[in-house]
Amino acid sequence: VQLVASGGGLVQRGGSLRLSCSVSEFTVSGYFMSWVRLPPGKGLEWVAVLYSGGDTYYADPVKGRFTISRDSSRNTLSLQMNSLRHEDTAVYYCARHVLRGNTFDLWGQGTLVTVSS
Amino acid sequence: SYVLTQPPSVSVAPGQTATLTCGGDNIESHSVHWHQQRSGQAPVLVVYDDTDRPSGIPERFSGSNSGNTATLTISRVEAGDEADYYCQVWDSINDHFVFGPGTKVTVL
Repeated sequence: VQLVASGGGLVQRGGSLRLSCSVSEFTVSGYFMSWVRLPPGKGLEWVAVLYSGGDTYYADPVKGRFTISRDSSRNTLSLQMNSLRHEDTAVYYCARHVLRGNTFDLWGQGTLVTVSS
Repeated sequence: SYVLTQPPSVSVAPGQTATLTCGGDNIESHSVHWHQQRSGQAPVLVVYDDTDRPSGIPERFSGSNSGNTATLTISRVEAGDEADYYCQVWDSINDHFVFGPGTKVTVL
């Protein structure tokens, strides 16, 4: 079972970036899925969740700027990030939730997003 | 939103027991989960729902939750246990997932 995150890179403040998480051996639409980030020198921070029913929720710092979505045909999870700020610099992890649960039992390897000022 | 507190660091000798705490207002009413993150690696779930261990996690890892404090206990500590440990809960009021600031475990 694997989650492979990609799409990170260097972007200017105010720019956009789209992260992808490719999933194997389970269907992304059958699980709750989240993005979690690790800013440099800081702790883990939850970013967004996409429930299997389609509902989405966002952490306050990213609400209105980030959008979580999935493509069932490609079995991938995405995070569209707009109006990027320096404080969005972090390693971004996609994570699968424990089935019908409120924690994360499988994590991707992470992709680094650097926002330059 | 709900706030979790953790001591920044804990040091322990090999073979001894490490006790990591996670504080929160009436935290016993929440299910608490613990994630281990070794340097440069993705996090790993080590305890969920206060006391349960995912398959593959050694019995040396155990959890408890009472009052305003949840606890992760690592028995017979090994060098490979050196990592950051994060407690985490679900804030049902805001439908947010909350992490504590993390505790760095150093094996002497």
